[in-house]
Amino acid sequence: DQQVKQNSPSLSVQEGRISILNCDYTNSMFDYFLWYKKYPAEGPTFLISISSIKDKNEDGRFTVFLNKSAKHLSLHIVPSQPGDSAVYFCAASDSGAGSYQLTFGKGTKLSVIP
Amino acid sequence: DAGVIQSPRHEVTEMGQEVTLRCKPISGHNSLFWYRQTMMRGLELLIYFNNNVPIDDSGMPEDRFSAKMPNASFSTLKIQPSEPRDSAVYFCASSFQERTEAFFGQGTRLTVV
Repeated sequence: DQQVKQNSPSLSVQEGRISILNCDYTNSMFDYFLWYKKYPAEGPTFLISISSIKDKNEDGRFTVFLNKSAKHLSLHIVPSQPGDSAVYFCAASDSGAGSYQLTFGKGTKLSVIP
Repeated sequence: DAGVIQSPRHEVTEMGQEVTLRCKPISGHNSLFWYRQTMMRGLELLIYFNNNVPIDDSGMPEDRFSAKMPNASFSTLKIQPSEPRDSAVYFCASSFQERTEAFFGQGTRLTVV
């Protein structure tokens, strides 16, 4: 059973507009969440993270929102740029388990159209 | 720092052959992870090490898979014998023990024919 779900396999957005990528999780023990970006033929690269004690974290054009009651998080990219076109993975961890392994969603492919 | 280094980048082998994938983590990182990416299952954690000790290998699909970390700067993932269904991209990642942001290598694309 998937504990981290990204229900949209793909998303297309016009350059300059907002991109919103969504992620849902089922494990209530998850307390740390991350977004990774992946270009073809490269490994995932860390983008932004959020702890469960916060509901928002912002880094430049990227903002992650966390709704613990809904077990939902989202990544907002504003404004979207063609270079943002990539696959975005949501990941979660349970730091209280004493390990630091990440559980990933299957990814959402973002295409930013010039 | 050069980041996490994996070798080879591509490997094509015949069914039944032994395959060894290699990884050099970022210097100073305590944790090392092996992931497999397939279209059907996405990114799956196979095994991870903390301070060179295997902590959780529950993701290793079968006994044909084994992983070692003889020292802090080197790890291997071995498949013996390999099968066509093992074809995937295998990623190695490392992180500081206190943090969860793992840094990934570029991956090894394995094709078993």
